[in-house]
Amino acid sequence: EPEVTQTPSHQVTQMGQEVILRCVPISNHLYFYWYRQILGQKVEFLVSFYNNEISEKSEIFDDQFSVERPDGSNFTLKIRSTKLEDSAMYFCASSAGYQETQYFGPGTRLLVL
Amino acid sequence: GEDVEQSLFLSVREGDSSVINCTYTDSSSTYLYWYKQEPGAGLQLLTYIFSNMDMKQDQRLTVLLNKKDKHLSLRIADTQTGDSAIYFCAESGSGNTGKLIFGQGTTLQVKP
Repeated sequence: EPEVTQTPSHQVTQMGQEVILRCVPISNHLYFYWYRQILGQKVEFLVSFYNNEISEKSEIFDDQFSVERPDGSNFTLKIRSTKLEDSAMYFCASSAGYQETQYFGPGTRLLVL
Repeated sequence: GEDVEQSLFLSVREGDSSVINCTYTDSSSTYLYWYKQEPGAGLQLLTYIFSNMDMKQDQRLTVLLNKKDKHLSLRIADTQTGDSAIYFCAESGSGNTGKLIFGQGTTLQVKP
């Protein structure tokens, strides 16, 4: 069964460093998403991406964040200068349509020291 | 604004039924979802319901939707220890971008 994959599974970084989280969505899906879950809190929407552009972003998704689909398979989330409060589990998801079911990857646990 | 609320914790005995409740605010949501998260794992889609339905049954899972009260519930029949996990309710947000709004999750503890 097709699935969303994410790499790395864990990442530890120093405050102020740049990180890139990678996702491979399901191959025939057209809509891509990033969510994050700070430990013990809700899963929060960050950004949705369709047709090579951002279709919606939350207040969390400020200028430090960017997304890219550099080729036909990968979908990346870049955090330019990480802060302590960026420590969270980051989930990628994809769907065939915006009203279709979203399938989530296993997540990348990011720890900023 | 859009918000989804759930109770935080539920404990049941193996073999009993579990009912996890959720309330939401956005009446324009097209779909409502239940996701399951096991420790250290990602979000697994369990089931979903169209907003024009009242009930959906899928094996041991029954979803009930009360649109008037904006209340969603997930019933798990014959709960097993393997059902122990965090269960998230989510609604499709307004707009046509597919954004999901999640509740804070209900931790289900199943005692043998």
